[in-house]
Amino acid sequence: GAVVSQHPSRVICKSGTSVKIECRSLDFQATTMFWYRQFPKQSLMLMATSNEGSKATYEQGVEKDKFLINHASLTLSTLTVTSAHPEDSSFYICSATLSYNEQFFGPGTRLTVL
Amino acid sequence: GESVGLHLPTLSVQEGDNSIINCAYSNSASDYFIWYKQESGKGPQFIIDIRSNMDKRQGQRVTVLLNKTVKHLSLQIAATQPGDSAVYFCAERGSGGYNKLIFGAGTRLAVHP
Repeated sequence: GAVVSQHPSRVICKSGTSVKIECRSLDFQATTMFWYRQFPKQSLMLMATSNEGSKATYEQGVEKDKFLINHASLTLSTLTVTSAHPEDSSFYICSATLSYNEQFFGPGTRLTVL
Repeated sequence: GESVGLHLPTLSVQEGDNSIINCAYSNSASDYFIWYKQESGKGPQFIIDIRSNMDKRQGQRVTVLLNKTVKHLSLQIAATQPGDSAVYFCAERGSGGYNKLIFGAGTRLAVHP
């Protein structure tokens, strides 16, 4: 089956630093990738839609200058949390679309900001 | 029994019983619905999907029912096993293209031996 990976799986950083999270589709090309954020005991909240070669589309309330998304190739999208603060601590999950009805999720990245 | 906590409601069942997890969706124009299973610290795992032109779909041990009149989805798990313990989310494909998914609040399923 289609596999999506994320790196790193866990990251701890100091407040004020930036953190980059990678999302890769390992065995297929994904024109569209999505980034979600999930706080403990809550649902997944869509942050942005990332299309290869174009600017990401952010959901209402998500700061595009804080959550930088780059989708440089059909197999890689990156999310950079800039000037991270403790309230940015969360579980970040990406997904990649193989076709209109097929969306595969990565294993998630646990970000802890001290 | 079923309880509503601060965030995720929990459904507790005995091993071997059938489980029914419910979900209310928001957009009457949504055309596609998916149930996901999420284990602690992992990403969502696809269980079963259903298009809006259907009202029932069956998989292995799972059945999804769709009631568009009241915008309600349910997931039935037959002969629930301890390995089914997880959080279950329904998701609907929203408008605007790009296969955007909007996730429901989720239900924690706790299976007791």
